[in-house]
Amino acid sequence: GQQLNQSPQSMFIQEGEDVSMNCTSSSIFNTWLWYKQDPGEGPVLLIALYKAGELTSNGRLTAQFGITRKDSFLNISASIPSDVGIYFCAGRFRTGNQFYFGTGTSLTVIP
Amino acid sequence: EAGVTQSPTHLIKTRGQQATLRCSPISGHTSVYWYQQALGLGLQFLLWYDEGEERNRGNFPPRFSGRQFPNYSSELNVNALELEDSALYLCASSFLVLNQPQHFGDGTRLSIL
Repeated sequence: GQQLNQSPQSMFIQEGEDVSMNCTSSSIFNTWLWYKQDPGEGPVLLIALYKAGELTSNGRLTAQFGITRKDSFLNISASIPSDVGIYFCAGRFRTGNQFYFGTGTSLTVIP
Repeated sequence: EAGVTQSPTHLIKTRGQQATLRCSPISGHTSVYWYQQALGLGLQFLLWYDEGEERNRGNFPPRFSGRQFPNYSSELNVNALELEDSALYLCASSFLVLNQPQHFGDGTRLSIL
C-alpha cells in the first residue's frame, strides 16, 4: 500500500511554542486531511485540504497542501496542554474513496 | 447530530474465538470504513463498504470480513482470533461523494488473551 511518511515521529515542546510537522508521499494526492487522536478516542478531523497550494486555518492550526501535491504541512501556534495527542495526516488519490494514513506525530506539551 | 458510534467499547476474547464489532455511521453517510490500529502504530485500512457492497479491501487475511446493512450500519467479523489481532478497531463514515472526509468513532479495543 501507499506509504505516507510523517515527521517528526514525536515532539516534546514547551507550552507557548509553535509546532510544525509534515507528511510526505511518493505519490500525488488530490486531498489531504489532518486528524488529531486523543488517548482512548478516535481521530478527530482538524483540517481538510483540496487544492495544491491551499492554506487553511482552524483556530491556532494552519495546514497547507504542498505545491508538488506530494506533501502537506501542519502548524500549531502558541501550543497549550490540550494540544497533546497524536496527529495523523491522510491522503487520497484523484480517483477512489480510500484515504491512506501516515504513521502519526506524537505531541507532548510541557506546561 | 450524532457521530459515528461503535460497540462494544472493549472486547476480550481468547485465541481461536470469533469477534463481532459493530458500527453505526453518521446519519446520511452511506460509506463505512474499518481500520485496525495496533498499539503505537498508524491506521491500517481493512475494509470499505458502501450501499451494502464491499468496495475495497486492505491487505488482511480472509478471516477479517464484514457486511453493511440496509440502514448503513456495519459489522466487522474476525474469525480464528490470533494474539496479533489485539488492537483498536476504528470505524469511519462519509458521504460517497468524492473528497468527503471520513469521520471516526472512538473504536473498539479488542484484546486477545
